[in-house]
Amino acid sequence: DAGITQSPRYKITETGRQVTLMCHQTWSHSYMFWYRQDLGHGLRLIYYSAAADITDKGEVPDGYVVSRSKTENFPLTLESATRSQTSVYFCASSETSGRGTDTQYFGPGTRLTVL
Amino acid sequence: GQNIDQPTEMTATEGAIVQINCTYQTSGFNGLFWYQQHAGEAPTFLSYNVLDGLEEKGRFSSFLSRSKGYSYLLLKELQMKDSASYLCAVILREAGTALIFGKGTTLSVSS
Repeated sequence: DAGITQSPRYKITETGRQVTLMCHQTWSHSYMFWYRQDLGHGLRLIYYSAAADITDKGEVPDGYVVSRSKTENFPLTLESATRSQTSVYFCASSETSGRGTDTQYFGPGTRLTVL
Repeated sequence: GQNIDQPTEMTATEGAIVQINCTYQTSGFNGLFWYQQHAGEAPTFLSYNVLDGLEEKGRFSSFLSRSKGYSYLLLKELQMKDSASYLCAVILREAGTALIFGKGTTLSVSS
């Protein structure tokens, strides 16, 4: 049971480059989320998706793009990376009961450094 | 706006009891989660409260008072492995299932 995985686990890139972080879950959960975690800010929601082809912005979406063509995958793309996007990125997923109170399960994280 | 407050750091000794508080001012409250996060790892689920009162789960208990916008996580019989960050998160009715997190409380347990 692989659960939820992220790749790469570590990434170093340069300002202006495009970077895609991958997230894959094997539970067939409807909901998937992307968060970033920074010292002094805690976890902040970037984007989330309620189902394939349905995505919505979170608290800090600027500079990021997401897609969800398949239920199990939810890639996050930084179109032109900036140093302020250096962070640890967590993907999460949850089932849905329709009440929006299901537990979210987190992937292992991707540590991204933008030079 | 939404605001969730937790103490930044706490220290305790093995075998002791510690209470980590969380206060929130949010609209459309739909439940509160506690997560544990060890350094360099992903957050893992500890508890969920939507109704007032205490939920007990082994050495960990979580309490919620919706009228006061207050929750606490109680850890009993502390062990060294409990050294971690504890994240309080609120789920908002109007935000789908998205969680709003506090900045977390780093707990250090010493022998």
